[in-house]
Amino acid sequence: AQSVTQLGSHVSVSEGALVLLRCNYSSSVPPYLFWYVQYPNQGLQLLLKYTSAATLVKGINGFEAEFKKSETSFHLTKPSAHMSDAAEYFCAVSTGNQFYFGTGTSLTVIP
Amino acid sequence: NAGVTQTPKFQVLKTGQSMTLQCAQDMNHEYMSWYRQDPGMGLRLIHYSVGAGITDQGEVPNGYNVSRSTTEDFPLRLLSAAPSQTSVYFCASSYGREETQYFGPGTRLLVL
Repeated sequence: AQSVTQLGSHVSVSEGALVLLRCNYSSSVPPYLFWYVQYPNQGLQLLLKYTSAATLVKGINGFEAEFKKSETSFHLTKPSAHMSDAAEYFCAVSTGNQFYFGTGTSLTVIP
Repeated sequence: NAGVTQTPKFQVLKTGQSMTLQCAQDMNHEYMSWYRQDPGMGLRLIHYSVGAGITDQGEVPNGYNVSRSTTEDFPLRLLSAAPSQTSVYFCASSYGREETQYFGPGTRLLVL
């Protein structure tokens, strides 16, 4: 069975500081990897995705993620946090025809 | 385009009642799926469909039925609601599993 692990259910950063949200996956075959963001009382929106092209993937709102096969990781980063980045972030893996989501990381940005 | 729409937005059921959660998309996506979101559990896949007439079970299918008679619609049926089915339900669609999934706004379900 596939699994996605997000380390840290809550992360707090100061405005302007680096954002680092961790995601590790287990997959027996090369997966497709995604990061989604969820704002309160809304559905999920795609931030970025990895589909076996460049290992460094750039997404919307200044976010990027690096696929590291040796570490089975797909961590999400943003150089400078903005207040509007406060939300829930989900890492997801697609293998076969199914998607597997992590349990989410709630990001708080402190002014 | 309306994208992915879900109805109703809120629903309260009594244990044992049945209901259907509606999901529709107007993007001609082949892949559609249903998830439930529970605190601390992330999103878990209930059922999915890779095209009209084709459905399959996800991670947590028990207590739910689906059908896909058209490309646009993918209803989720609760045959006999249980308190454990209290959750927020999201429908999503995409061109394929490697493509971006577009999510609906969700349905909040409370089973008493």
